Amino acid sequence: SYELTQPPSVSVSPGQTARITCSGEALPMQHAYWYQQKPGQAPVLVIYKDSERPSGIPERFSGSSSGTIVTLTISGVHAEDEADYYCQSADTSGSRVFGGGTKLTVL
Amino acid sequence: QVTLRESGPALVKPTETLTLTCTFSGFSLSSSGMCVSWVRQRPGKALEWLAVIDWTDDKYYTPSLKTRLTISQDTSKNQVVLRMTNMDLVDTGSYFCARIGQGFGDGMDVWGQGTTVTVSS
Repeated sequence: SYELTQPPSVSVSPGQTARITCSGEALPMQHAYWYQQKPGQAPVLVIYKDSERPSGIPERFSGSSSGTIVTLTISGVHAEDEADYYCQSADTSGSRVFGGGTKLTVL
Repeated sequence: QVTLRESGPALVKPTETLTLTCTFSGFSLSSSGMCVSWVRQRPGKALEWLAVIDWTDDKYYTPSLKTRLTISQDTSKNQVVLRMTNMDLVDTGSYFCARIGQGFGDGMDVWGQGTTVTVSS
């Protein structure tokens, strides 16, 4: 079955830039989506179609794509950005899939 | 305002069938491009996509659980129902429904708060 691979954890100091990667064979053909999830809460869509940002999501959140890897970048990390981040995409059969999640720690 | 709310039993026994209902408002599942997905999260684990139903009533399931899952819609009630058969202890977790709407591609732009299901004898 199709898989998306993320690093388990990323740590940055406040004000630094955090980059979270997600790799998958179908990513050149399928858009990627990123979600932020804080403990006890439902996920929130922070990036759609690889690099678009929904209204209400801070400008410090951005997304990019290169071949089989997509990247979520958080520029000037705030303490409140500490959360789990998940990438999501689809395979050619219509099934969706999430990555394993990355825990962002703000030191 | 778009809202989704999950409901269902908090406790089920092994081998039983789980039936969860997602009641939504603020959009129509009959509108082109609209879909509702189910996602679960086992304790301390990652999000796991389960199933989706779209505005044409097409349905897709995660391959690993396809034989146990059925997703359906009741348009008159604005509800999407997920059934999971043969529940096991490892199915314990939080179950979310989410909208896939227009303007965000395949992104799940609005989520319910989730419902917690415990499988125990």
